[in-house]
Amino acid sequence: NFMLTQPHSVSESPGKTVTISCTRSSGSIASNYVQWYQQRPGSSPTTVIYEDNQRPSGVPDRFSGSIDSSSNSASLTISGLKTEDEADYYCQSYDSSNGVFGGGTKLTVL
Amino acid sequence: QVQLVQSGAEVKKPGASVKVSCKASGYTFTSYDINWVRQATGQGLEWMGWMNPNSGNTGYAQKFQGRVTMTRNTSISTAYMELSSLRSEDTAVYYCARLSSSWTDFDYWGQGTLVTVSS
Repeated sequence: NFMLTQPHSVSESPGKTVTISCTRSSGSIASNYVQWYQQRPGSSPTTVIYEDNQRPSGVPDRFSGSIDSSSNSASLTISGLKTEDEADYYCQSYDSSNGVFGGGTKLTVL
Repeated sequence: QVQLVQSGAEVKKPGASVKVSCKASGYTFTSYDINWVRQATGQGLEWMGWMNPNSGNTGYAQKFQGRVTMTRNTSISTAYMELSSLRSEDTAVYYCARLSSSWTDFDYWGQGTLVTVSS
């Protein structure tokens, strides 16, 4: 079993770029795809990145994902920040067929 | 359009069971796994398990083994999640989510069902 660790919160100004990390505690980050979900208050999560770096249709190209084997982590980068990007972001992967979520990161755009 | 519509909020006493439904529409119900995820107030997402609506096969997180049962009724395109021996820590919003055709992300989610466990 492994855990995914995210920073509790990040903040940045509109127009800037922010990166949210997701570190896998054991096993290789490259072993299983990483997904990223956005959750606004009172709403269900939605996918912003799947399979490490793929964007679903309708998600702006300001959102990008990557993995780094040297730090055993995945990253979600949001460029050209907008106030509407303010939300909670969760990384997610798999341990065999079991889903694993990171603890979530609250993004504040101020 | 794909929709997952869940049953309404529930209030249960400790020790009781709750059964949440998730009605699918807009796609072939038996072609996509359904997962269940819960979220306590102000907390993060917690994966509970999956069910294949075609075969009925299931897989549960170790934490919920013995307390959770996921079933389906294919004639009405509805998945169910039943959680027994409820305790206060089970108070949360419960979501059903469809596993995408690439078997990676959860591409559609229900609106969530609040289950409150209180004496």
